[in-house]
Amino acid sequence: GAVVSQHPSWVICKSGTSVKIECRSLDFQATTMFWYRQFPKQSLMLMATSNEGSKATYEQGVEKDKFLINHASLTLSTLTVTSAHPEDSSFYICSAPRDRRNSPLHFGNGTRLTVT
Amino acid sequence: QKEVEQDPGPLSVPEGAIVSLNCTYSNSAFQYFMWYRQYSRKGPELLMYTYSSGNKEDGRFTAQVDKSSKYISLFIRDSQPSDSATYLCAMTLINTGNQFYFGTGTSLTVIP
Repeated sequence: GAVVSQHPSWVICKSGTSVKIECRSLDFQATTMFWYRQFPKQSLMLMATSNEGSKATYEQGVEKDKFLINHASLTLSTLTVTSAHPEDSSFYICSAPRDRRNSPLHFGNGTRLTVT
Repeated sequence: QKEVEQDPGPLSVPEGAIVSLNCTYSNSAFQYFMWYRQYSRKGPELLMYTYSSGNKEDGRFTAQVDKSSKYISLFIRDSQPSDSATYLCAMTLINTGNQFYFGTGTSLTVIP
């Protein structure tokens, strides 16, 4: 069964509004979670690494003020897309390794964001 | 050169065929190897997780790692239409604080 839950699975919002996406580890604690973006027929693009109790680490080219990440607890990370624009429309996926050495990544089911 | 290379396909096979999916990599320090299946509009699902060279079998799936050639494979036996998806390979270095490297994915269609 799923070990990482992501919500919502899809969302439509108007330009200029903000959208929050939640990612939860269901049966393990995740000190680290990863947020990816995926364009149609392309692979995963790492946006940022969410660290419980500290600031997120953003990949080059990803605006940290636009994509706010909060890792509030050992089982919850949120990604907020602020002042969304149509070009932010994409598929966002979170993932987390179980909190033990050399664990594989487990992914959420993704959130399809459409900004109109 | 990309860290991980994967032929994007698309690959189309008849039902019942044996499917071979492959990735090559450039960093000989990679130690852990994963295969994910991703259905359209869903997150990737972990299929296989292997360490070191050799084979690992799970039902109809076999993961193969050849570190000397820096080459990994996923074999699907008796392929089914439900196997139609994109398959992503991934790998990581040992004890790196969770740095994962992904292939671009291979799109597979199994025709009934």
